[in-house]
Amino acid sequence: DGGITQSPKYLFRKEGQNVTLSCEQNLNHDAMYWYRQDPGQGLRLIYYSQIVNDFQKGDIAEGYSVSREKKESFPLTVTSAQKNPTAFYLCASSHRDSLATNEKLFFGSGTQLSVL
Amino acid sequence: DAKTTQPPSMDCAEGRAANLPCNHSTISGNEYVYWYRQIHSQGPQYIIHGLKNNETNEMASLIITEDRKSSTLILPHATLRDTAVYYCIASRWGGSQGNLIFGKGTKLSVKP
Repeated sequence: DGGITQSPKYLFRKEGQNVTLSCEQNLNHDAMYWYRQDPGQGLRLIYYSQIVNDFQKGDIAEGYSVSREKKESFPLTVTSAQKNPTAFYLCASSHRDSLATNEKLFFGSGTQLSVL
Repeated sequence: DAKTTQPPSMDCAEGRAANLPCNHSTISGNEYVYWYRQIHSQGPQYIIHGLKNNETNEMASLIITEDRKSSTLILPHATLRDTAVYYCIASRWGGSQGNLIFGKGTKLSVKP
């Protein structure tokens, strides 16, 4: 089945440690995104990528880094500089419609990151 | 993206229609209205979108007022599995600009 796979489902980070969240899609989508969700809140955009080897900062990029070496993969690293990393992290992808009339986001099932 | 306003919560009886309102009074002419929903601890799921005309698919119907300042998502026969947070978004782009603004949405509780 086509879709977006995020792993792991749960992740724990020790103080001062970098951790990497995986996101893989087999939908042949060009664009991929990372969002952060805090309890009872909406989603906030961390980074997005519209094409391989290119990505842009979202609203809350500080303390995070990404790479887009392959179309299928968009891993997110939560660095030690992110002082409040506990949150639910969501990866999404979309097919780029040149007319931007029928685009929609497809989301993974999320990774819950907690600090030990 | 235009700002949207939704009630924080709603209840609906199982089997009845759920009507979820959304105000987007500052929507511009080239902005679409999108609806997504998020079941607890899962990623959001696309439901439907529209520009001017009413839309219907296998999941729901979208009614947009003539002046486009508000819309209503209708789940015709709500089930317990429809319990979720529903997000209304007004955006020019579906997602390639990464600028879909997911606010707090409406928490719909479907009760037996």
